[in-house]
Parts: sequence; structure tokens; C-alpha cells
Amino acid sequence: DGGITQSPKYLFRKEGQNVTLSCEQNLNHDAMYWYRQDPGQGLRLIYYSQIVNDFQKGDIAEGYSVSREKKESFPLTVTSAQKNPTAFYLCASSIGDSTSGNLETQYFGPGTRLLVL
Amino acid sequence: GQNIDQPTEMTATEGAIVQINCTYQTSGFNGLFWYQQHAGEAPTFLSYNVLDGLEEKGRFSSFLSRSKGYSYLLLKELQMKDSASYLCAVVDSNYQLIWGAGTKLIIKP
Repeated sequence: DGGITQSPKYLFRKEGQNVTLSCEQNLNHDAMYWYRQDPGQGLRLIYYSQIVNDFQKGDIAEGYSVSREKKESFPLTVTSAQKNPTAFYLCASSIGDSTSGNLETQYFGPGTRLLVL
Repeated sequence: GQNIDQPTEMTATEGAIVQINCTYQTSGFNGLFWYQQHAGEAPTFLSYNVLDGLEEKGRFSSFLSRSKGYSYLLLKELQMKDSASYLCAVVDSNYQLIWGAGTKLIIKP
């Protein structure tokens, strides 16, 4: 079955600790995205990648880092610089036709809920 | 600034019809998406509108008026499984996707 997987489902972070959220897709999509979802707010884009070995900052990239070494994988690291990391993190992918950009349907993973101890 | 407004919460009865509105003020317009998100789960695609008018897809329909900056999602023959949040998202002139906060729909028997 094709789809997007995220792990873990729940993640706990201690003060000053970096944590990495996994996102894997087997849809053969070029574009991948990381969003943060907080209660009462719309999804906010953290980082996105349109092709392997390339990624761009979204609206709220500070305190986060990503890598895109493989087409299938787009891990997100929440660094100690992110002072308010508690949120629901969603990874998504789309076909990645660069001429249509966000006109493509995005397919989302099940999410990772990050909590601070 | 760019803004998308949706009601925070709506309640409807099983078997009834409900209309969820979305108004937007964005720098340009290149289409509008509706996604459904059950609590704690991934959003799933429902519809995409770029031209004015109504598009029907089974029990769900989506309407767009670009001149009014307005869209609605119409759900017919409501079922308990339709209890979810419904997210409206607009693609602006820079092809950036702007998300609304979502409308939580509660279905009562």
C-alpha cells in the first residue's frame, strides 16, 4: 500500500534536547512538506522540499532543521532553539510538478504529537 | 495581511444537511482546497475549486465565488462518521497555501 508514515506517534522532549521526527513516503512524490498544527490555528509551514538535496524554509522555520538525502525521506529535527515545540506535526507530500506548486493535492501522514517534559 | 475565516465549531443532526462557510482575503487566488481531519489524524483531501460554481462529489459539494472571496462545503445525509474538522486552504498569487483554522463539526444522533 502506498502512503506516508510518520514516527513516533508521540514524542517527549526534555529541556535542551534535540529530537527528530521521521517521515517516509512510498508514493514516488518529489515534493514533501512539514507543518505544525496548534489548537485554534491553521496549519503553518515549517519547511518544504521540492527535490532531493534541496529544501526551503517555510513561515516558521526558526528552531527547526531538515534534510532530504533520499526521495522517500524528509526527517524534521526540533532543536533546543525552538522554545515552544509542543504541537501536532504533520508531514505531507505531493507529486511535485514545479510548474503547479501548491495546486497539487497534498497527502498527509498520521502525525506526531510532540510534548515537552 | 492574508486571512481565512471559518466558524470554529458547528453542530448538526444525523441525516440532516450542513453548510460550512469559508471566507478569504488573500493576495491573489489560484484555487481553494477543502480537507477533512478526524481528531488526531491526518487531513484527507475532499475537493479543489478554482472556477466559480458548485462541484458535487457524492454527499459532499463545494461552492466557490471568487468575486465574493467565499466558499462553502455542503454535507448532505450526515452520518456520525462525518464528525471531524473541515479545513479550508487557499492558494495565493505566489502559489503559497494559506490554511484556515478549521471548523469542528459535531454530529448528534
